[in-house]
Amino acid sequence: GAVVSQHPSRVICKSGTSVKIECRSLDFQATTMFWYRQFPKKSLMLMATSNEGSKATYEQGVEKDKFLINHASLTLSTLTVTSAHPEDSSFYICSARDLRTPYNEQFFGPGTRLTVL
Amino acid sequence: GENVEQHPSTLSVQEGDSAVIKCTYSDSASNYFPWYKQELGKRPQLIIDIRSNVGEKKDQRIAVTLNKTAKHFSLHITETQPEDSAVYFCAASEGFQKLVFGTGTRLLVSP
Repeated sequence: GAVVSQHPSRVICKSGTSVKIECRSLDFQATTMFWYRQFPKKSLMLMATSNEGSKATYEQGVEKDKFLINHASLTLSTLTVTSAHPEDSSFYICSARDLRTPYNEQFFGPGTRLTVL
Repeated sequence: GENVEQHPSTLSVQEGDSAVIKCTYSDSASNYFPWYKQELGKRPQLIIDIRSNVGEKKDQRIAVTLNKTAKHFSLHITETQPEDSAVYFCAASEGFQKLVFGTGTRLLVSP
């Protein structure tokens, strides 16, 4: 299947700083990527849909000014957690839709574990 | 919007037994139903999916059934093995829209 990478895999930062997470589709172009948040032993919660060349679509309750999403190219979307606080600590996973597959399958990145001290 | 419920939350079976996980969805417009397996600390991996024009799909020891009328779909794993132990998520979407995930089922297969 298609390959999606995320960087960094782990990040620890101080409260008040900003953290950028990158999501890349390595062997295909992705006009649409998704950002999820996952708490321990919980399901994936969709935060936003990232569309190449246009503004992201945020889910209800997700602060767009806190979670900045940029999808500047067909292979890269970034999520920036601004002014991070301990409650932002979580596992963040991106996915990219591969239009070459029969059902436009979503392939997931390996995730980024964010810890805010 | 779509709402997906998943049961059970945990499932323990002996190696060789079958395991069944069930999901219900609320939006009759949903027409794509994938199942993902997630091992601890890893990414979700698609294991099987089904579209609403098909009632059943099988891939070796894994099968998925769909009842559009009742709006529920199920994952069946036969001859379970310890390496099947993981968290399984169902999901639903309409066409190319966003996936809505179920709450997950933690499957433990004991040797």
